[in-house]
Amino acid sequence: GQSLEQPSEVTAVEGAIVQINCTYQTSGFYGLSWYQQHDGGAPTFLSYNALDGLEETGRFSSFLSRSDSYGYLLLQELQMKDSASYFCAVMGDYKLSFGAGTTVTVRA
Amino acid sequence: NAGVTQTPKFRVLKTGQSMTLLCAQDMNHEYMYWYRQDPGMGLRLIHYSVGEGTTAKGEVPDGYNVSRLKKQNFLLGLESAAPSQTSVYFCASSSGTKGSEQFFGPGTRLTVL
Repeated sequence: GQSLEQPSEVTAVEGAIVQINCTYQTSGFYGLSWYQQHDGGAPTFLSYNALDGLEETGRFSSFLSRSDSYGYLLLQELQMKDSASYFCAVMGDYKLSFGAGTTVTVRA
Repeated sequence: NAGVTQTPKFRVLKTGQSMTLLCAQDMNHEYMYWYRQDPGMGLRLIHYSVGEGTTAKGEVPDGYNVSRLKKQNFLLGLESAAPSQTSVYFCASSSGTKGSEQFFGPGTRLTVL
């Protein structure tokens, strides 16, 4: 089976940088995905890492270390609209297993 | 291009009643998924399908059944609803390529009394 650990909450001010860590244990690993979900909304895809290293997409970056079973999502230049829940998810055999999510609250 | 749609958006059931949730996608995706999301928890996979006519069990399949008679539709059935099935249900679809984005529907909020 799969298990994923990520912090439950993070609070930061506008303009700050937030890093959300994710550690996982899994049997069968193809990659690590990140999804964003605003309150009352549907999850939306942010990034996918299959190989070690950093992937950058605008203000958001995602990192993976397969040897450490670890990844993180980096949110830069935080904006109020970034207040949401962020989920890491392990991809295995075309299925995603999600972590419990990290609620990010951005304060003015 | 509507993406992934779900009906209904809200439903209240009494214990023991049955219902079917409908998911439709217009992206010609092979893979479709049903998840449930409970407060403070991530999404848990109920059932999934890798193509028309196929279904498979996910992490929490008990009490649910599914059918994929047409490629664009994926139905989730509750034969005898229980209060433990009170949740928000999300459908998703993807092209199936490893790492491919899953596109989620808006969700169905189900309450079982």
